[in-house]
Amino acid sequence: GAVVSQHPSWVICKSGTSVKIECRSLDFQATTMFWYRQFPKQSLMLMATSNEGSKATYEQGVEKDKFLINHASLTLSTLTVTSAHPEDSSFYICSAAPGGNSYNEQFFGPGTRLTVL
Amino acid sequence: EDKVVQSPLSLVVHEGDTVTLNCSYEVTNFRSLLWYKQEKKAPTFLFMLTSSGIEKKSGRLSSILDKKELFSILNITATQTGDSAVYLCAREGAQKLVFGQGTRLTINP
Repeated sequence: GAVVSQHPSWVICKSGTSVKIECRSLDFQATTMFWYRQFPKQSLMLMATSNEGSKATYEQGVEKDKFLINHASLTLSTLTVTSAHPEDSSFYICSAAPGGNSYNEQFFGPGTRLTVL
Repeated sequence: EDKVVQSPLSLVVHEGDTVTLNCSYEVTNFRSLLWYKQEKKAPTFLFMLTSSGIEKKSGRLSSILDKKELFSILNITATQTGDSAVYLCAREGAQKLVFGQGTRLTINP
């Protein structure tokens, strides 16, 4: 149980285009989903927290108009990188938390590697 | 600002050696300290620690938390090449996880 999927697993796009990444909890409902970014040889940096049916909470320094997050259902959250540039190339990982007040029970997706040319 | 600091950042040992990885954190809104193993993709959960001095063990891996000194260690005994990975610790607090930089562990045969 507790499987989280991401799609696509990797994507290459041209500079200026938008890319959508999906994160799905396959066998549980996720009240909260998290989006992380990981640059090569660096740790996971939280970008934003999304709760189903409400606006995402972005971490300091993350542009909400560039990284659009939608959490329309309890099993799906999407991250759209708008007008992508080469510096947005990174490994994007989502995680899903079943709910409650404890966020230590996060189940991670396999990640999406984005390369912007 | 919440900070989680891991050391060493990189470690290369021979198969069979024992390693100790360190993680220190700031205390703000502390709820738990977690360890993950990351090979090529997403982190996989190893341990969650909430109480000081209670060792958690899983096979050759063990971990302990010191809430007074604000650190945790992860021990791996009799290392194998399959233990090669990045080991991440994360502090849970304020409704999110804050990760350390990770320790890249390489086990040579």
